[in-house]
Order: sequence, then C-alpha cells, then structure tokens
Amino acid sequence: KQEVTQIPAALSVPEGENLVLNCSFTDSAIYNLQWFRQDPGKGLTSLLLIQSSQREQTSGRLNASLDKSSGRSTLYIAASQPGDSATYLCAVTNNYGQNFVFGPGTRLSVLP
Amino acid sequence: DTGVSQDPRHKITKRGQNVTFRCDPISEHNRLYWYRQTLGQGPEFLTYFQNEAQLEKSRLLSDRFSAERPKGSFSTLEIQRTEQGDSAMYLCASSFVGGRLVQETQYFGPGTRLLVL
Repeated sequence: KQEVTQIPAALSVPEGENLVLNCSFTDSAIYNLQWFRQDPGKGLTSLLLIQSSQREQTSGRLNASLDKSSGRSTLYIAASQPGDSATYLCAVTNNYGQNFVFGPGTRLSVLP
Repeated sequence: DTGVSQDPRHKITKRGQNVTFRCDPISEHNRLYWYRQTLGQGPEFLTYFQNEAQLEKSRLLSDRFSAERPKGSFSTLEIQRTEQGDSAMYLCASSFVGGRLVQETQYFGPGTRLLVL
C-alpha cells in the first residue's frame, strides 16, 4: 500500500527566504506526482505535476524535483512571500493516474 | 471554464440523518473524483467516475455512502444514517482523460464541510 509522508509538518520563515519542502513515498512505481496548495477551509490548487519520466518542473518561483528510485520529491520556493502561507500537499498516482494518495501536508507560514 | 463547484459549502446535521452533496465538474471533464479530508490530514480517496461509470471505490466508502453520476456530468454523494465520524470536508475533483493522454491534472472544488452533531 502506497504511503506518502511530508517533512516538516510545519514551517515558519521570514519573508524573502528560499525554502524546501520534502515529500517521500514508499512505492516507487508511481505514474505521476503533483504538488498542491490549500488555503485554510478551501479546496486544493494544483501547483506542479511531474510525470514519472520527468526529473523536475518549474513554474515561476516554484521548482519541483522528482527522484522516483529513492521515492522522494522536493518543492523549492524561491524568495518566499507572505502570500505563500498555506498548506502544501504532495500526492502520487499509481496505475495510470486513477486516484491520488496524498501526504498530510506541510503548513507554511511566511512572516512579513 | 467556471471551475469545479460544490453545493452546499457547509452542512450541519444531527446523527442519524441523511445528507446529500452535489458536485459540478468542469464541463468537458470526463473523470470525477470524491475525496474526504479531516483536520490536519491530506485528502483520502473515496471513489471516482469515468463518464457515468463508477470505476473504483475505496474501502473507506462504507455501505452508508453512495455516489452517482447519472448523466456523466454532475455527481451526488449521499451519506445515510450519518455518524459523528463522518464529520469532514468532502472534496470533489475533475479531470479529462482521452485518447493517448493518460496523465491528468485534477482540479478541485472548494469542498463541502460536514458537521454531524
């Protein structure tokens, strides 16, 4: 059974810092991995999706990497801003992407 | 494209009552997913549809839960004889899969927050 963990559970940084969020999964036979953002009481917003054949994806200040063989992904956020404060979730799909298995999330606070 | 919508956004009910939630996916999306999320946890998969066919159900989906997508567009999730443990956020997502495209990005709705007293 696939299990996804995220470290740290919570992170507080001053504005402007670069930071790394970590995601680990136990079964390396994934089809893709996706990073989401969730604001309190709201649904999820997709940030980046990485196919199993890819090593990384970039969007603006965000960069996600994938090391499928070791079961790890990182989300790098450059020059953090208070508006980046949210919970960041990673999720993996197996078997042609039928459903996601989510991690518990990292709660990020960026202090002005 | 108006995004995925869910109704109601909040529901408070007494234990033992039945509740029904609705999800309207992005119009051209043929896949629709239901997830449940409790406080401090990531969403947990419940079930998904491709068009009107329900293709997979999680073991989390007890026989008190039923989901339908009768015309391959909107979907409903019904919980019968609600229990306090059903209190959670219920999230709907949709995606498009077609032709050789298997990879998909799921777009989530805002969720329905259920509180069972």
